[in-house]
Amino acid sequence: SQTIHQWPATLVQPVGSPLSLECTVEGTSNPNLYWYRQAAGRGLQLLFYSVGIGQISSEVPQNLSASRPQDRQFILSSKKLLLSDSGFYLCAWNEGMNTEAFFGQGTRLTVV
Amino acid sequence: DQQVKQNSPSLSVQEGRISILNCDYTNSMFDYFLWYKKYPAEGPTFLISISSIKDKNEDGRFTVFLNKSAKHLSLHIVPSQPGDSAVYFCAASDTNRDDKIIFGKGTRLHILP
Repeated sequence: SQTIHQWPATLVQPVGSPLSLECTVEGTSNPNLYWYRQAAGRGLQLLFYSVGIGQISSEVPQNLSASRPQDRQFILSSKKLLLSDSGFYLCAWNEGMNTEAFFGQGTRLTVV
Repeated sequence: DQQVKQNSPSLSVQEGRISILNCDYTNSMFDYFLWYKKYPAEGPTFLISISSIKDKNEDGRFTVFLNKSAKHLSLHIVPSQPGDSAVYFCAASDTNRDDKIIFGKGTRLHILP
């Protein structure tokens, strides 16, 4: 069966520090991968999605970047965190069109 | 530009009654719709989906209705149970264009005893 792992679960980082959140999927190959952020009053905002290794689509201009170094690994990064980067970050995967996405447990990021 | 709208931030329903959660969308090219349930500090879990070729899909206590002409879909939960208290997200995708799944802002459902 397929599983998705996302870590860490919580993170407190100072303003200006770098960020790296990792997500891995097991039990499938060539999944679509997504990064979402849930911020207060904004629902689930799509940040990045990827349909294959090295293929990243950015949905909103921001202080973040994403990379997919391996088929089932998706990394969310920042060189210098801003206060506004605080939120609940969720990784998700699916097998393609017309299939539901499955989410990880999320990372609560607090930038102080 | 919010393409998927859930205009009710919260909804309270008596246990045992029907919960109706509404969602509107603006992009007429959306052809695949999903509902998710989310508890605090957890990832959303998939509930039910519907393709634009159908107007109804049912799975146990959950039924999703799609009205393409009105660009509206709804999730019905019957009967509502205490464990249904959560935030519900509507999502949509234009599968002819790409695999992006766009979510609404969510509706918090409270099931009252």
